[in-house]
Amino acid sequence: KQEVTQIPAALSVPEGENLVLNCSFTDSAIYNLQWFRQDPGKGLTSLLLIQSSQREQTSGRLNASLDKSSGRSTLYIAASQPGDSATYLCAVRNDYKLSFGAGTTVTVRA
Amino acid sequence: NAGVTQTPKFRVLKTGQSMTLLCAQDMNHEYMYWYRQDPGMGLRLIHYSVGEGTTAKGEVPDGYNVSRLKKQNFLLGLESAAPSQTSVYFCASSGASISYGYTFGSGTRLTVV
Repeated sequence: KQEVTQIPAALSVPEGENLVLNCSFTDSAIYNLQWFRQDPGKGLTSLLLIQSSQREQTSGRLNASLDKSSGRSTLYIAASQPGDSATYLCAVRNDYKLSFGAGTTVTVRA
Repeated sequence: NAGVTQTPKFRVLKTGQSMTLLCAQDMNHEYMYWYRQDPGMGLRLIHYSVGEGTTAKGEVPDGYNVSRLKKQNFLLGLESAAPSQTSVYFCASSGASISYGYTFGSGTRLTVV
């Protein structure tokens, strides 16, 4: 069974600081990995999708890396803003199924 | 683009009552899923479907039934609601290709009293 772990569980940083969120998974036979953002009481918004053959994916201030062989992914958010405050979820796809980590809750202080 | 639409958004049920949650997607996706999200438990897969007329059990299927009569719709039923089914329910869909990501609906907040 795929196990997905996200560290740290919570993070508080001052505005402008770079954010580093970690995700690890136990079964490296994944098809892809997806990072989501979830605001309180809201649904999941897809941020980045990395295919198993890719090493990284970028969108604006967001950059995600993937090391499939070691079962790790890292989400970098540059120059954080208060609007980046949310819970960030990592999810890996094996076959038909998507397995989630518990998330990292980020607070960016103005 | 509507994407994935869930109805209703909120519902309060009494123990023993039944209800159906509806998920509709307009992206012609083959795969559809129902998850529940609980504090401290993360997102857990209830049931999923890899095509019209097919369904399969996920991690936590007990107490739920599903149907996929049309490709664009995936229904989640609670026959006799229990307080343990108080949760936020999310529907998601994905294309059949392994390169596809998942698209989620905005969720249904269900309280069973």
